Amino acid sequence: DVKVTQSSRYLVKRTGEKVFLECVQDMDHENMFWYRQDPGLGLRLIYFSYDVKMKEKGDIPEGYSVSREKKERFSLILESASTNQTSMYLCASSELNSSYNEQFFGPGTRLTVL
Amino acid sequence: AQKVTQAQTEISVVEKEDVTLDCVYETRDTTYYLFWYKQPPSGELVFLIRRNSFDEQNEISGRYSWNFQKSTSSFNFTITASQVVDSAVYFCALSEARTTDSWGKLQFGAGTQVVVTP
Repeated sequence: DVKVTQSSRYLVKRTGEKVFLECVQDMDHENMFWYRQDPGLGLRLIYFSYDVKMKEKGDIPEGYSVSREKKERFSLILESASTNQTSMYLCASSELNSSYNEQFFGPGTRLTVL
Repeated sequence: AQKVTQAQTEISVVEKEDVTLDCVYETRDTTYYLFWYKQPPSGELVFLIRRNSFDEQNEISGRYSWNFQKSTSSFNFTITASQVVDSAVYFCALSEARTTDSWGKLQFGAGTQVVVTP
């Protein structure tokens, strides 16, 4: 059974803290994605990676960075969390030809920044 | 630039009613893929269907059916005889054929919340 897991379902952090969101997939997928989901805006792509140590900016990369040291793991980093980064964060993975193949999603991390 | 519009924010129905979710897309590509995902209260998006731009056949899977009309750039989704378990947020998404700088990224609509009451 294919699986994408995220390190936390719920997270509460304070403004200015450094935040790490971890995502692991067990499908040997090349592509991994980080989205944030906000009401009325759907899912917006933050960053994606098509290979180890490779990353590409998505539509809203400001205030975020990512790390992919191993194929199965993709981390999203908030260097200095701000209240406007309170959101649901979703990780996904797909095979290399991702234009055709569906993305598989993790359960999401609901982050609250106080 | 690609864009996906789901104009319906929320639809409420009583069990056994049919419900149709609208999806309108914009793209300049001739080759693209359309998807529907379901997000139940648990949060995890679940893939429902994929359709490529060259296949305009409608599809039925159990109580679900999809109507793809290229002429109107629409890919609508109908749930027949709705059940409480259909309560979820449904997202329509568009992926352009992979190019060196697109990597098949998904563009999502805002989602439609479906509420089915007994």
